Amino acid sequence: QVQLVQSGAEVRKPGSSVKVSCKTSGGTFISYTINWVRQAPGQGLEWMGGFIVLFGTRKYAQKFQDRVSITADTSTSTAYMELSSLRFEDTAVYYCARGDESSGYNFFDYWGQGTLVTVSS
Amino acid sequence: EIVLTQSPGTLSLSPGDRATLSCRASQSISSSYLAWYQQKPGQAPRLLIYGASNRATGIPDKFSGSGSGTDFTLTISRLEPEDFAVYYCQQYGGALTWTFGQGTKVEIK
Repeated sequence: QVQLVQSGAEVRKPGSSVKVSCKTSGGTFISYTINWVRQAPGQGLEWMGGFIVLFGTRKYAQKFQDRVSITADTSTSTAYMELSSLRFEDTAVYYCARGDESSGYNFFDYWGQGTLVTVSS
Repeated sequence: EIVLTQSPGTLSLSPGDRATLSCRASQSISSSYLAWYQQKPGQAPRLLIYGASNRATGIPDKFSGSGSGTDFTLTISRLEPEDFAVYYCQQYGGALTWTFGQGTKVEIK
């Protein structure tokens, strides 16, 4: 079955960067998009950006445009999200999610377990 | 940018009740691109409905979605204890962009 397994929790200082990984299995990695969604404590879901693996196309939410980078290693079926210039308000759980548009619809059908990133001095 | 507004923010109901959750878009969207997710504390979201009205694999028929244009609804016909959670709508805006609503919490009355 399809699984997305994310890297473990991270603690970072303000101004630094963090890179979270998302290893996929059980599906054809290049056939889907990989998206990153974050959730601050007690808050809702916020889409950060997406990556069409097959074409290497990326799109970032305007809010994160200058600070986020999404990449993928097709040889290991692993996606990465790097967020730089971290601020206290970046403390959140970060999720990767597989996007499926093959049926003409568009939705996130599988999610990683989440990675808690804490920004603390 | 399309904004999704969910209402109510919190829904207080009893087991066995019917839950009706609303998701309103700031402009008309394609039904094909409207999805609903359930999230329980400490867990990742789970896909419930895609294309506004199609249940995802393994989702029981007590969950149903409807709507078009700017107004969409998620209905849970008979609430069971495991259904008390937060529900999010999501829309695909094209060109690899996504938006979530702010969520509706369904809590036990």
